[in-house]
Amino acid sequence: KNEVEQSPQNLTAQEGEFITINCSYSVGISALHWLQQHPGGGIVSLFMLSSGKKKHGRLIATINIQEKHSSLHITASHPRDSAVYICAVSYNTDKLIFGTGTRLQVFP
Amino acid sequence: EAQVTQNPRYLITVTGKKLTVTCSQNMNHEYMSWYRQDPGLGLRQIYYSMNVEVTDKGDVPEGYKVSRKEKRNFPLILESPSPNQTSLYFCASSLGPSGRWAYNEQFFGPGTRLTVL
Repeated sequence: KNEVEQSPQNLTAQEGEFITINCSYSVGISALHWLQQHPGGGIVSLFMLSSGKKKHGRLIATINIQEKHSSLHITASHPRDSAVYICAVSYNTDKLIFGTGTRLQVFP
Repeated sequence: EAQVTQNPRYLITVTGKKLTVTCSQNMNHEYMSWYRQDPGLGLRQIYYSMNVEVTDKGDVPEGYKVSRKEKRNFPLILESPSPNQTSLYFCASSLGPSGRWAYNEQFFGPGTRLTVL
């Protein structure tokens, strides 16, 4: 059983729509990461959260420590946002545990 | 340019033929790690290293070896590859020692697609 659950697994949107991707984890964590995996396979780091909220351009990430839940929002989605979005957490160990990812497709 | 490099990017080999996938980072990061990515399973950690000469097993270490003789390099060795090691492999690095690396940005290499026949 994966200790990090993402939803939805697949998401299709029209250009301009507001997107929300969710990540839930099972116990207290030290840090949570949101990653983006491009269609070509490369992975880039979007955010690291240990509390609160972060914003970068059209991307917003939030975390609720009490509810053990994080969300990644994309405002005014664009076809270039099409990718797999991955949530990963550190449970106070020297490892990262990854969700299985959310595949997002944004159509013009 | 700050980056993590992996070589080779693609490799097709046969069962039992030893191979090494190299990983190098130019950011003076302490933490380095190897992951494999399989459909439906997400990324899983194979081995990680907190610094030179310090390595430890991740969640799926069987069939793999690593070494960290220099801070910048963290090669992944498959002594006797088997078909179940066919996968997409990523090396990653991060600044910071134990307890701190998870709070820093994770830098990933471009991936190595390995097929073992």
